[in-house]
Amino acid sequence: DGGITQSPKYLFRKEGQNVTLSCEQNLNHDAMYWYRQDPGQGLRLIYYSQIVNDFQKGDIAEGYSVSREKKESFPLTVTSAQKNPTAFYLCASSKVAGYDEQYFGPGTRLTVT
Amino acid sequence: DAKTTQPNSMESNEEEPVHLPCNHSTISGTDYIHWYRQLPSQGPEYVIHGLTSNVNNRMASLAIAEDRKSSTLILHRATLRDAAVYYCILRDVRDGGATNKLIFGTGTLLAVQP
Repeated sequence: DGGITQSPKYLFRKEGQNVTLSCEQNLNHDAMYWYRQDPGQGLRLIYYSQIVNDFQKGDIAEGYSVSREKKESFPLTVTSAQKNPTAFYLCASSKVAGYDEQYFGPGTRLTVT
Repeated sequence: DAKTTQPNSMESNEEEPVHLPCNHSTISGTDYIHWYRQLPSQGPEYVIHGLTSNVNNRMASLAIAEDRKSSTLILHRATLRDAAVYYCILRDVRDGGATNKLIFGTGTLLAVQP
């Protein structure tokens, strides 16, 4: 089946630790995105990548880092500099960085204590 | 970015039609109207999009007002699986080539009663 996978579904970390969230797609999409969702709110864009080896900051990039070494993979690292890391993280992809529909993964719920 | 306004919540009965409204009075001529929905604890899912004309697909219909200042997502026969948060999003076609950024509001929480 084609789609986007995110792992793990739930992740727990201690404050001060960096943590990396996985996002893989087998849709052959060029563009990939990371969003964050807090309870009762909409999604906010963290980072996006239009092509391999290139990525751009979104609206709330501070405290996060990404890499795009392969077309199918776009991992997100939540660093200790992120002040409020506990949230639901969603990865998405689209055919091109245009206004094509975005396909979302199932999300990773990160809890930092 | 142009803003959208949606009711916080709506209720429907199973197998009845549902009309989900969205106001976008500051919409520009290059804004597409997109709808996504998000089931509990899942990622959003694309539903439909349009520019000026009404649109139909297997999931829903999109009715766009003649002045484009409002639109309505129509689910023809609601099922329990349609219970979700529905987001109405404006996408500027001029910006789409740069970021394809989706700006989500808080959406409408649709409850479907059996």
